[in-house]
Amino acid sequence: DIVMTQSPDSLAVSLGERATINCKSSQSVLYSSNNKNYLAWYQQKPGQPPKLLIYWASTRESGVPDRFSGSGSGTDFTLTISSLQAEDVAVYYCQQYYSTPLFTFGPGTKVDIK
Amino acid sequence: QLQLQESGPGLVKPSETLSLTCTVSGGSISSSSYYWGWIRQPPGKGLEWIGSIYYSGSTYYNPSLKSRVTISVDTSKNQFSLKLSSVTAADTAVYYCARHGGLRGVDYWGQGTLVTVSS
Repeated sequence: DIVMTQSPDSLAVSLGERATINCKSSQSVLYSSNNKNYLAWYQQKPGQPPKLLIYWASTRESGVPDRFSGSGSGTDFTLTISSLQAEDVAVYYCQQYYSTPLFTFGPGTKVDIK
Repeated sequence: QLQLQESGPGLVKPSETLSLTCTVSGGSISSSSYYWGWIRQPPGKGLEWIGSIYYSGSTYYNPSLKSRVTISVDTSKNQFSLKLSSVTAADTAVYYCARHGGLRGVDYWGQGTLVTVSS
């Protein structure tokens, strides 16, 4: 099984400032045949299902604001919110889907306003 | 626009079987390249993949739950279902049905349904 970890568990950032969340997988999720990382990021607000933000580690889903960006490769990944807005308060999860149809999520990172 | 909707009892007694159905609208469950899965989230906790099914009927389960899980599909009704046996309080969670594939991860989710295990 591929185990996902995230850091920090939570963070508080001032409005307009940068928020950075890290995600690490226990083995590489880079598929060598197409050079793509099978890593996604989700945003979950209270009472709602998760929403897909980024797939292939760095490709934004349609309609996702460009202040959200993903980076990394292999086993280490980062989600960055370049300028935090009030509506970005949520829990963020990374997910590996390298082993599709099996997949695993990270434990989540809670983002709040400072 | 694809929509998924969970349905089933919100309260299940310990040792009994939890049964949920997901109805898919706005698209066919028989689409190739996609799997149809169940994901759960205990109150205040993270997300756990339970298992998935392909329209052909091939099933894939989380090893930690495999002995208790059965997922089935009814393509004529555009539905898939979850059965989780011998439930305990630890199975209390919001259960989501979802679509996923090997390209974008989980791209469509149901709204979720809270299932409480209690006598």
